[in-house]
Formats: sequence, C-alpha cells, structure tokens
Amino acid sequence: QQQVKQSPQSLIVQKGGISIINCAYENTAFDYFPWYQQFPGKGPALLIAIRPDVSEKKEGRFTISFNKSAKQFSLHIMDSQPGDSATYFCAAVTSGTYKYIFGTGTRLKVLA
Amino acid sequence: EAGVAQSPRYKIIEKRQSVAFWCNPISGHATLYWYQQILGQGPKLLIQFQNNGVVDDSQLPKDRFSAERLKGVDSTLKIQPAKLEDSAVYLCASRDGGGRAKNIQYFGAGTRLSVL
Repeated sequence: QQQVKQSPQSLIVQKGGISIINCAYENTAFDYFPWYQQFPGKGPALLIAIRPDVSEKKEGRFTISFNKSAKQFSLHIMDSQPGDSATYFCAAVTSGTYKYIFGTGTRLKVLA
Repeated sequence: EAGVAQSPRYKIIEKRQSVAFWCNPISGHATLYWYQQILGQGPKLLIQFQNNGVVDDSQLPKDRFSAERLKGVDSTLKIQPAKLEDSAVYLCASRDGGGRAKNIQYFGAGTRLSVL
C-alpha cells in the first residue's frame, strides 16, 4: 500500500516531442505529489509538485496531470530538449509524516 | 543559500570494513533524511531525524547501520561491517518544515559507495 508504481522504466523522445511519465499509488492518505529530476552524479532536485485538490499544474514546459479517482498522476514534458535528458522520479507524501515514497524512476533520453 | 553538503563523494571499501558518511543540511532545516539509492532504483528512506531525535528508522538495518545527529545539525551515517549489497549512493536531504516549502526536501549530491 506504500508503493508508488512508475512507468516506463526508460523513454527515448525526439527533440521537440512530448515526454510522458506515469505514476500510480494506492494509499489515499498521500496528499502531496512531487516530481524530482536527477542528473548523473547529482542529487534529485524538485521539478514540480501538485496537491490532490487540483487536476493539473503547469510550470513552463512541465505539466502534472492528476486523477484522484484513479489514483494516478503523470508528468508531461512539452517540447522536450536534449537538456531534459535525466532520470525522473515521482513521489508521494503524507503531510503528517513528510515521508517520501519514491517511484522507481524513468530514464529519459531526448535525441537531438 | 548553501545547499546540502555531503562528504566524501566517493568511497571504495572491502566487505566487512566500516565506513562513515557525513551530511550538513541547509541552515535552519530541522528535518534530515538519509536515503539509500541502489543503481536503477528510487531513493529508499533509511532514517529521518527531527532536530536530534529519530522520527522513523523502520527501514534502517540496525545490525550494521547506525546514524546520529548530534546538536540537531550535522549528521553521520555509519555502516559496520559493510556487505556487497550495500553498494549504492547514499543521499542526505533536509526539509525546512515551515511555510509554503514545508513539503520540499532538498538533496545533497550523495556519496557513492562501492563495496568490493
């Protein structure tokens, strides 16, 4: 019940294309859903986050879509660029404990 | 604002040896986390501190791993004795705990441990 399932494991997209990464959870106590971006040799860095009271949040080329009834959320990267090539992790958080449960990660490669 | 500092960046040891990692969180951050990230996997929480008290260490292998956060600032994570399966990146993160950023964890660059 504490797991967060993330797919796909890896993704190759052409420059300018749309990258889509999906996550699913079971525990309805989760109330904060961040996405982290990690470059090789670096720690994860917060990219964008959403709370379940909204269905979508957009920041620049990055959009989170949230489906509360399906217990799923996804990251969309519009106009993908080679600089977006990184590993992306979704996470689910319960505000009371502030404990992060991370997905298994998606390695994105954007071809120039 | 300085980020989360970790050292060393890399460590190579033989199995059954001991090793220690150090973390200095962002100034003023009360909550500190240690994660283990095995290659190809997401970070897994090992221990969470609130100031100098342990909040959650349910996934810490206590027979070989230990952690402390004296004075509620810096923290060290120790492995003794190390096993081959401990090869991973050990990430430290900190959280402010107040205001709009209370849910955000800030990560250090990690320590890559190789156990031979």
